[in-house]
Amino acid sequence: AQKITQTQPGMFVQEKEAVTLDCTYDTSDPSYGLFWYKQPSSGEMIFLIYQGSYDQQNATEGRYSLNFQKARKSANLVISASQLGDSAMYFCAMREGRDDKIIFGKGTRLHILP
Amino acid sequence: DVKVTQSSRYLVKRTGEKVFLECVQDMDHENMFWYRQDPGLGLRLIYFSYDVKMKEKGDIPEGYSVSREKKERFSLILESASTNQTSMYLCASSFLDRASQPQHFGDGTRLSIL
Repeated sequence: AQKITQTQPGMFVQEKEAVTLDCTYDTSDPSYGLFWYKQPSSGEMIFLIYQGSYDQQNATEGRYSLNFQKARKSANLVISASQLGDSAMYFCAMREGRDDKIIFGKGTRLHILP
Repeated sequence: DVKVTQSSRYLVKRTGEKVFLECVQDMDHENMFWYRQDPGLGLRLIYFSYDVKMKEKGDIPEGYSVSREKKERFSLILESASTNQTSMYLCASSFLDRASQPQHFGDGTRLSIL
């Protein structure tokens, strides 16, 4: 079974609209962390946002926020007021317990339309 | 800022050659990782290391080996390159046992085996 599932292989969104990228995860460990990364066409992986399983509030970083629904095991990334530069591949990832390895989803390719 | 540097952005080699991919980080991170990225498969862990001379297999170690003689440097070795090893290779590093800290990535090496 996949540990991280990103169900949207690709999305097209009009510039300035908000975007929600879906991520569901599967773990039995009560302690875990969730990460989102952005990968532009140039290839580098850029860390965007982190949510810990015990964090009381949803994480936010500028235009990025994480809609964390623990009971549903979902950690959707929300991008407000999308920009052309947001066009990229987005990966959701999870760390379980004290493991330093993280597991990546297969990614969602986001296209922002002018 | 954390800097993870991979020795080549693009590399073309021939079948059967021994190939070295080098990665250097400047943030004194204990952990270093090598991933392979293929379309539709996300990032898959090849090997990782949590200390000098220590290594552990990831999900797809077959056909690869690694070397970590110094803390800042982690090398991926393709002993006898094959065409199915044509891929994007990403190196990452992180602190040991710091759950909320992300992995930091290099810019990637696009390797073609002819």
